[in-house]
Amino acid sequence: GDQVKQSPSALSLQEGTNSALRCNFSIATTTVQWFLQNPRGSLMNLFYLVPGTKENGRLKSTFNSKESYSTLHIRDAQLEDSGTYFCAAHQGGRALIFGTGTTVSVSP
Amino acid sequence: GGIITQTPKFLIGQEGQKLTLKCQQNFNHDTMYWYRQDSGKGLRLIYYSITENDLQKGDLSEGYDASREKKSSFSLTVTSAQKNEMAVFLCASSIDRLRGDTQYFGPGTRLLVL
Repeated sequence: GDQVKQSPSALSLQEGTNSALRCNFSIATTTVQWFLQNPRGSLMNLFYLVPGTKENGRLKSTFNSKESYSTLHIRDAQLEDSGTYFCAAHQGGRALIFGTGTTVSVSP
Repeated sequence: GGIITQTPKFLIGQEGQKLTLKCQQNFNHDTMYWYRQDSGKGLRLIYYSITENDLQKGDLSEGYDASREKKSSFSLTVTSAQKNEMAVFLCASSIDRLRGDTQYFGPGTRLLVL
């Protein structure tokens, strides 16, 4: 089954609006990473999280290890926020386990 | 800052062919990874290496070989390309696997098998 489940799978936003993406983990997760993959396929690091919250500009992410989920909030969405957002879970000493992604389309 | 370069950017192969993808990083990171991404899906781990000459299998290692020739480079070989296969191969590196440090990704190699 899905060890890292992302929702929603797709999201359409209007410029200036706010939204949230979520990852649920069915595996023990020590740290979480969030990435944005642009239309050309490059993966950009957004956040690396231990349990807690980080903020960077219009993006804010929380990792709740007790309840096994992480969220990514987009505030005041802009056109350049379009792309596919991936969360990935670290399981102790193992490599990252990726979710299936949320494709975000921001329109004017 | 550092950078990860992957060569080639695009690779078109024939069924049954042996194909090699290369990855270089100048972060001086210990651990390097190879992931495969199929269209519309997340990344799946093929191989990783925690130091020079080390090799660890991921979930998707069958059909692939890898080689960590030196700390800065990690190669992946598709041992026998499958007809109509189409995927992106992404290389990554991190300081320390055990601590679950941030992974940094290269731009990818896009593979198409005719």
